Amino acid sequence: EIVLTQSPTTMAASPGEKVTITCRASSSVSYMHWYQQKPGASPKPWIYDTSKLASGVPNRFSGSGSGTSYSLTISSMETEDTATYYCQQWSSNSYTFGAGTKLELK
Amino acid sequence: EVQLQQYGTELGKPGTSVKLSCKVSGYNIRSTYMHWVNQRPGKGLEWIGRIDPANGNTIYAEKFKSKATLTADTSSNTAYMQLSQLKSDDTAIYFCAMTTEGNWFAYWGQGTLVTVSS
Repeated sequence: EIVLTQSPTTMAASPGEKVTITCRASSSVSYMHWYQQKPGASPKPWIYDTSKLASGVPNRFSGSGSGTSYSLTISSMETEDTATYYCQQWSSNSYTFGAGTKLELK
Repeated sequence: EVQLQQYGTELGKPGTSVKLSCKVSGYNIRSTYMHWVNQRPGKGLEWIGRIDPANGNTIYAEKFKSKATLTADTSSNTAYMQLSQLKSDDTAIYFCAMTTEGNWFAYWGQGTLVTVSS
């Protein structure tokens, strides 16, 4: 099973600040997917196939990476971006999630 | 519009079973995989398994192979998950989700909170 390690676990950013969340895989994966979850809600698909924005996701978000290292970037933090973000991969008929990164407003 | 409808809460006693449902509208489940994901209180997301409703084929995460049983009824466009031998550690929100155009979860139900308590 591929283990996904997200960093940081928690972070705070000021409005307008650039934010980068990293997800490292224990073995190489073809794609990484990201979800946003707010308290009391279901996860929402956010970025899929490493760099494609899901429907309705603001273009201040972007995704990149390859092999074992992937990232989600917010070019300019906004209040509504406070949430927990999870990375996810599929490999060998197994799906795994990272432990999540909680993003707060500073 | 695709919707995955789950009931809000289930209460189960230790040692018993519960069966959760996930009714899909706006999409034929024969054309997708139906998955189940859990989230323990204050914790992250954990994939449980998936079913191909077209043929009933299932795959499970190793730790859930003896805990969860996935089924689907294509006539009612509904997926099910039975959790057996409930323990307090099974207390969690259980989400159903669909993968449609790739190996990412495009649609999610609102989750069912399962509480295991005597």
